[in-house]
Amino acid sequence: DAGVTQSPTHLIKTRGQQVTLRCSPKSGHDTVSWYQQALGQGPQFIFQYYEEEERQRGNFPDRFSGHQFPNYSSELNVNALLLGDSALYLCASSGVVEGREAKNIQYFGAGTRLSVL
Amino acid sequence: KNQVEQSPQSLIILEGKNCTLQCNYTVSPFSNLRWYKQDTGRGPVSLTIMTFSENTKSNGRYTATLDADTKQSSLHITASQLSDSASYICVVSGPSGTYKYIFGTGTRLKVLA
Repeated sequence: DAGVTQSPTHLIKTRGQQVTLRCSPKSGHDTVSWYQQALGQGPQFIFQYYEEEERQRGNFPDRFSGHQFPNYSSELNVNALLLGDSALYLCASSGVVEGREAKNIQYFGAGTRLSVL
Repeated sequence: KNQVEQSPQSLIILEGKNCTLQCNYTVSPFSNLRWYKQDTGRGPVSLTIMTFSENTKSNGRYTATLDADTKQSSLHITASQLSDSASYICVVSGPSGTYKYIFGTGTRLKVLA
């Protein structure tokens, strides 16, 4: 049973470019959350997707957008990249599996390290 | 305002020693509190999960305690190993159904030989 997988693992972009990060949730999970983690800081909530819709959003500008597909996988898109967007981007999934897991227990992927030059 | 504060910010101990990390939160009501271990550049990995009715939960050399009255939790690491060097993050979930997760900024632990 695969856990949460993210791709790519590392990415280097220049200012002004656009980037797409991908996440496949843990098998059976239907909810995907995205976080931005700057070096030495705790993760900051970007948004959460459920049933292909953005359900909650943190304090991030509209340059950050996302999408969830029918198979529950998700993408995070960032437009007009800034130097300050350099961070580890984490994807977390949650959901009920065989009725035993609480819906709000998250499992994290290994993250995508984005460097903006 | 819902907050999660962790202390100390960083900690250095010798291999084989014990240590305790603290987490204070103001999230109310809450459904569960989790401790994660995060290696540098990697995603967080869950160590323990406790609901408001649980006082203690162990996972090998890791033991978490929770006092829901004082809104405090601790993570005790016994007989530390070099591989324990990591950041330890306390995460408090809001009421079930709100899907809110409040993260602490973590404690960076360094275990020296």
